[in-house]
Amino acid sequence: EPEVTQTPSHQVTQMGQEVILRCVPISNHLYFYWYRQILGQKVEFLVSFYNNEISEKSEIFDDQFSVERPDGSNFTLKIRSTKLEDSAMYFCASRNRVSDTEAFFGQGTRLTVV
Amino acid sequence: KQEVTQIPAALSVPEGENLVLNCSFTDSAIYNLQWFRQDPGKGLTSLLLIQSSQREQTSGRLNASLDKSSGRSTLYIAASQPGDSATYLCAANFGNEKLTFGTGTRLTIIP
Repeated sequence: EPEVTQTPSHQVTQMGQEVILRCVPISNHLYFYWYRQILGQKVEFLVSFYNNEISEKSEIFDDQFSVERPDGSNFTLKIRSTKLEDSAMYFCASRNRVSDTEAFFGQGTRLTVV
Repeated sequence: KQEVTQIPAALSVPEGENLVLNCSFTDSAIYNLQWFRQDPGKGLTSLLLIQSSQREQTSGRLNASLDKSSGRSTLYIAASQPGDSATYLCAANFGNEKLTFGTGTRLTIIP
């Protein structure tokens, strides 16, 4: 069964360093998303991406964050200068149509900023 | 503000019992609602998607209902098993493409 794949599963980084989280969405999907879940809190929307551009972003997704689809299969989230409060589980998701189809999530990348 | 609430935060049920998990949302103009399962430290597994035009959706021992007018969805699990122990999240799509999640209900099935 097709699945969303995320790498790495765990990432530890020092405050101020740049990190890139990687995702391979399901191959025929067109809409891509990043969410995050701080320990003990709700899953929160960060950004949606369609047709090689951001379609919506939340207040959390400030200038420190960027997304890219560098080729036909990968979808990345970059955090330019990590802060302690960026520590969270980051989930990638994809769907093949907007609004009326299931969103499929990856297993997540646990980011720890020290 | 569009919000999703899940009460209770935790629920323990003896094995074999049927149970209902609750989800409430503030905006009746909902496109669809998706139920997920999350095991500790793991990702989100999609269980069911129920469209605004539907009242129920079934998959195996799971049945989800949606009542837009009252702003409620329920997930019914029949004949619970220890393997059903997990956190169950509901997430609403209010038509702006993103999903708005509840805080989840942590379910424990007691053998």
